[in-house]
Amino acid sequence: GENVEQHPSTLSVQEGDSAVIKCTYSDSASNYFPWYKQELGKGPQLIIDIRSNVGEKKDQRIAVTLNKTAKHFSLHITETQPEDSAVYFCAASLTPYNAGNMLTFGGGTRLMVKP
Amino acid sequence: DAGVIQSPRHEVTEMGQEVTLRCKPISGHNSLFWYRQTMMRGLELLIYFNNNVPIDDSGMPEDRFSAKMPNASFSTLKIQPSEPRDSAVYFCASSPHGRTEAFFGQGTRLTVV
Repeated sequence: GENVEQHPSTLSVQEGDSAVIKCTYSDSASNYFPWYKQELGKGPQLIIDIRSNVGEKKDQRIAVTLNKTAKHFSLHITETQPEDSAVYFCAASLTPYNAGNMLTFGGGTRLMVKP
Repeated sequence: DAGVIQSPRHEVTEMGQEVTLRCKPISGHNSLFWYRQTMMRGLELLIYFNNNVPIDDSGMPEDRFSAKMPNASFSTLKIQPSEPRDSAVYFCASSPHGRTEAFFGQGTRLTVV
């Protein structure tokens, strides 16, 4: 089955700096790569996702890049703010379009943005 | 939309007792997932339903765990008998047909003493 590795496990940055979180996956058939943000006491919430036919996707201060050859993808957060502090999870799955997708999650990165 | 609703939010039970966790997916969503989150193992998929039918239960730890989805608006995850190592946060998530985004509930924090 799929295996997703995520690094670093903790990341501390100064407000305004950029943060980068990296993930690798093992199954070359995986074609969907979402990123989730989990705040304390809440469930994970999707913040951005990318499919294997796209190399990069951006949404305001967050962006995700995908390298299919190397089987890794990264989350980039620019101009970090204290409210970005949370645990971030990457995930990978093979998505049949007539059904939901079964996500394999990375281990999570605890991001702390210091004001 | 109220989102995915899970109950209870917290559950403390004694070892050996039966525990039932409940989930109401978002109306109109046809895929439902149960995940378990622990410090040691992170987020793990337990079981996946599509149109109320279990599609993949390979993540269910053992026979003590069972899940049902009697209709499109309700699912349960049952642990019988419960053990201390079952202590975790259990999440339910749902997805609409043809969409890949999974919407998670707030989770149920289970503590087995």
